[in-house]
Amino acid sequence: AQKITQTQPGMFVQEKEAVTLDCTYDTSDPSYGLFWYKQPSSGEMIFLIYQGSYDQQNATEGRYSLNFQKARKSANLVISASQLGDSAMYFCAMRTFGSSNTGKLIFGQGTTLQVKP
Amino acid sequence: DSGVTQTPKHLITATGQRVTLRCSPRSGDLSVYWYQQSLDQGLQFLIQYYNGEERAKGNILERFSAQQFPDLHSELNLSSLELGDSALYFCASSGTGANYGYTFGSGTRLTVV
Repeated sequence: AQKITQTQPGMFVQEKEAVTLDCTYDTSDPSYGLFWYKQPSSGEMIFLIYQGSYDQQNATEGRYSLNFQKARKSANLVISASQLGDSAMYFCAMRTFGSSNTGKLIFGQGTTLQVKP
Repeated sequence: DSGVTQTPKHLITATGQRVTLRCSPRSGDLSVYWYQQSLDQGLQFLIQYYNGEERAKGNILERFSAQQFPDLHSELNLSSLELGDSALYFCASSGTGANYGYTFGSGTRLTVV
């Protein structure tokens, strides 16, 4: 079965510091993609970063990077130089590309990040 | 504007009623996904349509139904509403082939009183 686990319900970080949000996944499909989304208090879902299972390099997008450890089945999000506007809920998600894939995203339970001034 | 339009943004209705949530996908996207986000359940996949056909079903209650029309917009119908159906309902759309991007609408916040 496919599953995403985020074990940190809540995290605090000091402004300008880096923070790592944990995500582990489970799938038997060798081809999959991992996503991180940000959901601020206003409610919208904002795409942050994507990592494919066959990508050789860790994905980066500005201050966001994905620490992809395939053998450990982990895809942690690293936010560098935290800003007050980074305070939000963060979701890790996965889709698979196997023969039974439909394209749906499976989400973890989310991590609430609060950035302290 | 993400390109995915959901209406209405907010909906307050009484138990036992029926409501329809509407979603217009991003231009060119053929797949539409519906998700329910409640406080205790996180983001739950409900149903997916691809070019008018149902493609996958998640934990969607029998009281809920959906469809995708020829112009690719989709509607999620919720009937015999219960207090526990109060949630944020998201629609997302995605393209095909190498475009793995999923775009979410701003959601419909449903409150059942």
